[in-house]
Amino acid sequence: QSALTQPASVSGSPGQSITISCTGTSSDVGRYNLVSWYQQYPGKAPKLMIYEGSKRPSGVSNRFSGSKSGNTASLTISGLQAEDEADYYCCSYAGTVVFGGGTKLTVL
Amino acid sequence: QVQLQESGPGLVKPSETLSLTCTVSGGSVSSGSYYWTWIRQPPGKGLEWIGYIYYSGSTNYNPSLKSRVTISVDTSKNQFSLNLNSVTAADTAVYYCARANVSPSSIDYWGQGTLVTVSS
Repeated sequence: QSALTQPASVSGSPGQSITISCTGTSSDVGRYNLVSWYQQYPGKAPKLMIYEGSKRPSGVSNRFSGSKSGNTASLTISGLQAEDEADYYCCSYAGTVVFGGGTKLTVL
Repeated sequence: QVQLQESGPGLVKPSETLSLTCTVSGGSVSSGSYYWTWIRQPPGKGLEWIGYIYYSGSTNYNPSLKSRVTISVDTSKNQFSLNLNSVTAADTAVYYCARANVSPSSIDYWGQGTLVTVSS
């Protein structure tokens, strides 16, 4: 299994919207609607932000949304806030489980 | 509220076996459609899924680690464990135990993580 492909970094200003892409294949992202997204602060455990492509766990801000088109999933954060600065990982079921390489979000 | 806590040696010698235990509180490892999961993260790098044991006892491992990994469960202690044999420096990482809910990629509860260093 190969890791899903994410941009190494993205940035945005407070109040703006950003989108992080996660590209897989027809064997993982494209085949299953089971992509999840995680937020991780330095030295902390990851936190589930989106599951099953577009569902938000209780307590996660509705500024976070997920979508998919073909073999690419996306995480969009609207109304960017300073506290959103973190690493973000996508994850997909593929018979096993595969993560993306991670994207560092910088809030300018 | 489910809580998970990793425990085990922080230092393992090359070629030996890394053994970690995850103690679950606030929930049972033998109930529900849960996948009790291990994930690791080398220092400064991304997340790597190691594998899971399903509540029914079936297992699924990362193909790249499958020959060296065993995940087991002890329902009497409400714990699950990871054994990784023949370790090298490349296995140095923060190891997380976690729970996936409904699908193996929806990981809703995580332990705090424990750093395991492989060094002589």
